[in-house]
Amino acid sequence: DVKVTQSSRYLVKRTGEKVFLECVQDMDHENMFWYRQDPGLGLRLIYFSYDVKMKEKGDIPEGYSVSREKKERFSLILESASTNQTSMYLCASSRPGNEGRSPLHFGNGTRLTVT
Amino acid sequence: QKEVEQNSGPLSVPEGAIASLNCTYSDRGSQSFFWYRQYSGKSPELIMSIYSNGDKEDGRFTAQLNKASQYVSLLIRDSQPSDSATYLCAPSGQAGTALIFGKGTTLSVSS
Repeated sequence: DVKVTQSSRYLVKRTGEKVFLECVQDMDHENMFWYRQDPGLGLRLIYFSYDVKMKEKGDIPEGYSVSREKKERFSLILESASTNQTSMYLCASSRPGNEGRSPLHFGNGTRLTVT
Repeated sequence: QKEVEQNSGPLSVPEGAIASLNCTYSDRGSQSFFWYRQYSGKSPELIMSIYSNGDKEDGRFTAQLNKASQYVSLLIRDSQPSDSATYLCAPSGQAGTALIFGKGTTLSVSS
């Protein structure tokens, strides 16, 4: 079974702090994704990566950056946390598939609260 | 902007009934379609995938796809209280693009 591990289940940070959310997958997947999920807004794509050192902006990249130095690890960085970044953050991975046929496998999520 | 539309619900059905969940999408280039189930406080888990027009059955679940109408649905037969969750529809675009999710339909099955 694919395992996607997010380093923290709950995190509380202060406004202005630099925050790192870590995600590791153990199935040698090329593709990795960061989403945030908020009530009424659903899952929104922040950034994704198709290979080491590659990154692509999703729908809401503002205020975030990412790092993919190793294939198995994809980090989400909040350069200066703000209260509107309080959310559930979900990491996911997938194989590259023909015609996008590869589903996502999600980690357990990190619930971040910024005070 | 690619869009995925789902009725937010809640959709309430009695135990043993059929639950019907619907999804429409705007990207005609979508090739693959996924249904995820998400329990409260948990992450989404894949329950069905469908790639061709028609029906695909897996146990109590049936996914239906009509690409001409840009419509995909999920039927849950013999609904159980354990099926109570939010169901997310996610069409994929061309290879190399990320999944876009609908906001989900909340299903409540009463015993």
